[in-house]
Formats: sequence, structure tokens, C-alpha cells
Amino acid sequence: GAVVSQHPSWVICKSGTSVKIECRSLDFQATTMFWYRQFPKQSLMLMATSNEGSKATYEQGVEKDKFLINHASLTLSTLTVTSAHPEDSSFYICSARDGGRSIRDTEAFFGQGTRLTVV
Amino acid sequence: AQSVAQPEDQVNVAEGNPLTVKCTYSVSGNPYLFWYVQYPNRGLQFLLKYITGDNLVKGSYGFEAEFNKSQTSFHLKKPSALVSDSALYFCAVRDYTGTASKLTFGTGTRLQVTL
Repeated sequence: GAVVSQHPSWVICKSGTSVKIECRSLDFQATTMFWYRQFPKQSLMLMATSNEGSKATYEQGVEKDKFLINHASLTLSTLTVTSAHPEDSSFYICSARDGGRSIRDTEAFFGQGTRLTVV
Repeated sequence: AQSVAQPEDQVNVAEGNPLTVKCTYSVSGNPYLFWYVQYPNRGLQFLLKYITGDNLVKGSYGFEAEFNKSQTSFHLKKPSALVSDSALYFCAVRDYTGTASKLTFGTGTRLQVTL
């Protein structure tokens, strides 16, 4: 299957600082990428849908000024957690769909995830 | 709105025995259903999908799933479990609206395979 690379795999940052997480599609063009957050022993919560060249669509309850998403190219989307606080500590996962294939038939491919710890 | 239910938090099975991980769904239109597996501190790996066609779908690592429209179920199965199958399994349904499509995940089922 297609490969989605997420970086870094883990990061520790101080409270009040910002952290950027990258999500790259390595062998396909991803017109749409999705950002999820996963709490321990819980399911994935969709945070936002990122479309190349346009503003991201945020799910209800997700602060767009805190979780900045940029999808400037067909192979790269970034999530920046601004002014991070300990409650932002979580596992963040991106996924991407091959834009050259039918939306209906295409499964999403996931990055490896990023473990963020804010101290 | 669509939803997915995975009624079991954990499934325990002995190696070599068949396994079933349950999933039921609710969707207004045609269901597009997926199974993913997650290993510790990793992203999700795609196992299989149902879009249309045969009700029995075969996927990666010997897994298969049976789509049952009348019972609105999409249970994941494997004839003979391996210890290495131990992981967290997610069922998901796709809502196709407009130009984007979102996956809604179930709460996950932890599969524990023992010797």
C-alpha cells in the first residue's frame, strides 16, 4: 500500500512552546489529509480535514488557532500545536488519501503517529 | 450521521483457534466499511475494506470480514490466530459527503492471543 510518513515519532516540549508535526505522502499525491488525536485506550478523534491549497476544516470543539494546519503541497501537511500545555499531550496521527483514485473506493493510509508530551 | 460500534473492549483467544472481532454500523446510505490494526505507539495499518460486491472480503495477514446487511454487521475473522495478531483493531465507516470523506472509527477492540 501507499506510504505516509509522519515526523517526529515522539517529541517532548516545554509548556508554552509550539511544536510542528509533519505528514508526508511518499509515493502518491494527497489532495486531502486528516489529522486525528488519540487518547490512551480510546479511539481516534478527527480533529481536522486538510485540503491542499485551501483552509483546513476543523471539527466541532477543535480550536483552529491552537492547532494550525498547513497543506501547502500535494505531499505535505503540517500540524502545529501552538502554546502547548500539558493537556495537549496525546498521540497525534495523520492520514492521507490518494487524490488520483476514486474517493469511494480508496482507503486512507496512516502515518506512524507522533507522541507529544508537554512538560 | 454514521456510527460504528465495537461491543467488546477485549477479545482473548488461544493461538491456533479462530477469532472474531465484532463490529456493527449505522449509516444512512451505502456503507463503506474498513478494518484497521494498530500496534503500540504506531499508526493504523489497513487490513481490508468492503465497498460493494461479495459479502466476504479477504484482506491482509489472513484476515477476512463478512458484511451482513440485514444485521448491519462487519465482523473481522481469522481461521487460526497467531500471537503476533495481538493488537488493537478498529472498525471504521466512511461517510461520503461533498468532496471529502471522513472515517468514523469504533472504540477499538484489543485482541490478545496467547500460547
